[in-house]
Amino acid sequence: KAGVTQTPRYLIKTRGQQVTLSCSPISGHRSVSWYQQTPGQGLQFLFEYFSETQRNKGNFPGRFSGRQFSNSRSEMNVSTLELGDSALYLCASTLPSADTQYFGPGTRLTVL
Amino acid sequence: SQQGEEDPQALSIQEGENATMNCSYKTSINNLQWYRQNSGRGLVHLILIRSNEREKHSGRLRVTLDTSKKSSSLLITASRAADTASYFCAPETGRRALTFGSGTRLQVQP
Repeated sequence: KAGVTQTPRYLIKTRGQQVTLSCSPISGHRSVSWYQQTPGQGLQFLFEYFSETQRNKGNFPGRFSGRQFSNSRSEMNVSTLELGDSALYLCASTLPSADTQYFGPGTRLTVL
Repeated sequence: SQQGEEDPQALSIQEGENATMNCSYKTSINNLQWYRQNSGRGLVHLILIRSNEREKHSGRLRVTLDTSKKSSSLLITASRAADTASYFCAPETGRRALTFGSGTRLQVQP
């Protein structure tokens, strides 16, 4: 079974631009969570989607948003990029009744 | 969700030795998960231990959980160079929002 895939793997943007990251969960997984990892703040939870609905949200500004499609694929959008948004963005998927989260390889975003 | 705090921050051992890292957390949990991350890459799930379990094994990994002390430990036996990575614990309270600490950076010298 294929693992969690994320595209693109690397991205370079400039301040003020917006970016969309994509995550395809493991087949059969309906919950997708997003995390941001930076050297200073570590791994922080952004949000979780289940059945196309945001079920849980971390403490990030409204510039960070997401959505989930009927096939469980998820996208994350960051608008008006700031230098501090440079990070590794990880998504994870979970079976509906399980607790283990399986992570993708991440998208490394660099904001110049 | 809450943050797990790993200790030590860094650990360097020789191949074949055992490595032990600890995790402390603050409030009641449903389960605690351990993950490994190789430099700058995605996290790999290692093991999940539920709040009603005290010890769990998976291959060379042994995890213990002491809910009275709000702590967990991960033991890697007979370490290999390929075990070099950062290790994170993630206490989970049922909201699926894992929050990680800064991790333990393990270096296994060949």
